[in-house]
Amino acid sequence: DAGVIQSPRHEVTEMGQEVTLRCKPISGHNSLFWYRQTMMRGLELLIYFNNNVPIDDSGMPEDRFSAKMPNASFSTLKIQPSEPRDSAVYFCASSPRSSGVRQTYEQYFGPGTRLTVT
Amino acid sequence: AQSVTQLGSHVSVSEGALVLLRCNYSSSVPPYLFWYVQYPNQGLQLLLKYTSAATLVKGINGFEAEFKKSETSFHLTKPSAHMSDAAEYFCAVSDQTSKIIFGSGTRLSIRP
Repeated sequence: DAGVIQSPRHEVTEMGQEVTLRCKPISGHNSLFWYRQTMMRGLELLIYFNNNVPIDDSGMPEDRFSAKMPNASFSTLKIQPSEPRDSAVYFCASSPRSSGVRQTYEQYFGPGTRLTVT
Repeated sequence: AQSVTQLGSHVSVSEGALVLLRCNYSSSVPPYLFWYVQYPNQGLQLLLKYTSAATLVKGINGFEAEFKKSETSFHLTKPSAHMSDAAEYFCAVSDQTSKIIFGSGTRLSIRP
């Protein structure tokens, strides 16, 4: 059973360039999350979707960041223009569909994309 | 609002010794609680979860955690540390919405 798939695994780009990170959640999961991890700030939630609809984007650092989820099996996180301070590991995670009244809410993480902006 | 506090950013134990990683939570509703592990250059992996069933939760790799409401704690333990347990461990809390709040993490080192 495939887990969360992220691409690319590594991205090196120059300041000012557009960067697009991609995520394929686990089939059947109805929530998708984008996180950023750095040594200084730890793990930060950027945005999450329920049933392809953005629910909370309060963690998105600024307007240079945008995220979309056009269907249940694909999401993108775009940074335009990129800056050196955006260098981090970006994780995508998905959460399973509720099977009853109470949902367990565990999240399954992808391997991450290591972004370096020079 | 919920939050978690992990006591100790770095814990070092000898191989074969008891592992104890501390986590305290704050939540205005009955919480769901989680422990995740992150090995170098990998994503986070669920170790175990508490969802208001048994207060002692057993997870993978011999880890377990006990929910103590009176102490608002959810400490992670393993009776005997193995070299392969060296990793970063995250405690997390959910307020029964989709969102999970992660702690700042505890790096576990194992001495031979």
